[in-house]
Amino acid sequence: AQSVTQPDIHITVSEGASLELRCNYSYGATPYLFWYVQSPGQGLQLLLKYFSGDTLVQGIKGFEAEFKRSQSSFNLRKPSVHWSDAAEYFCAVGAAAGNKLTFGGGTRVLVKP
Amino acid sequence: EAGVTQSPTHLIKTRGQQATLRCSPISGHTSVYWYQQALGLGLQFLLWYDEGEERNRGNFPPRFSGRQFPNYSSELNVNALELEDSALYLCASPLAFWVRGRSGTDTQYFGPGTRLTVL
Repeated sequence: AQSVTQPDIHITVSEGASLELRCNYSYGATPYLFWYVQSPGQGLQLLLKYFSGDTLVQGIKGFEAEFKRSQSSFNLRKPSVHWSDAAEYFCAVGAAAGNKLTFGGGTRVLVKP
Repeated sequence: EAGVTQSPTHLIKTRGQQATLRCSPISGHTSVYWYQQALGLGLQFLLWYDEGEERNRGNFPPRFSGRQFPNYSSELNVNALELEDSALYLCASPLAFWVRGRSGTDTQYFGPGTRLTVL
């Protein structure tokens, strides 16, 4: 069975500082990996996805993520955070052929001025 | 192009009642996924409908059910509501794709959700 772990429940970062959110997955085959962001009371917005190919993936809002098969990780990074990046971030893994997404528990990001 | 829409935005029910939640996928998408986001439990897969059929089901009791209509919109029904059913219910609409002759599921695009409160 597939699973996702986001070790950090909360992260506080100063505006302008860099941000890295950790994600570890467990899946028997090549995973389909996603990062979503959720603002309070809202649905999920896709930041980026990895299916195959280049292991460094660029997404929206200046985010990027790196797939490391040897570490079963898919960490999300942003070089310089903005106050509007305060939200909850979810890592998810999906199987092929129409299977469900399995989400990590989420990391809530607080941005200090 | 309209995204995934869900209605109602908020729904308040009492224990034992039934709740009906609705979702319209992105135009051209034939699949609908339902997820529950309950406090302390995270995002959990509920149901998957494709081409009018239930294709997969998460670890939820039978009082969670649904259907998909010919226009690919979907309804989620929750019978005999319990307090712990209070949650944000999210609907997602994926694109299908073919890679090297094998079908797969592309990104799931989410709607804004329905906040169900059971009193």
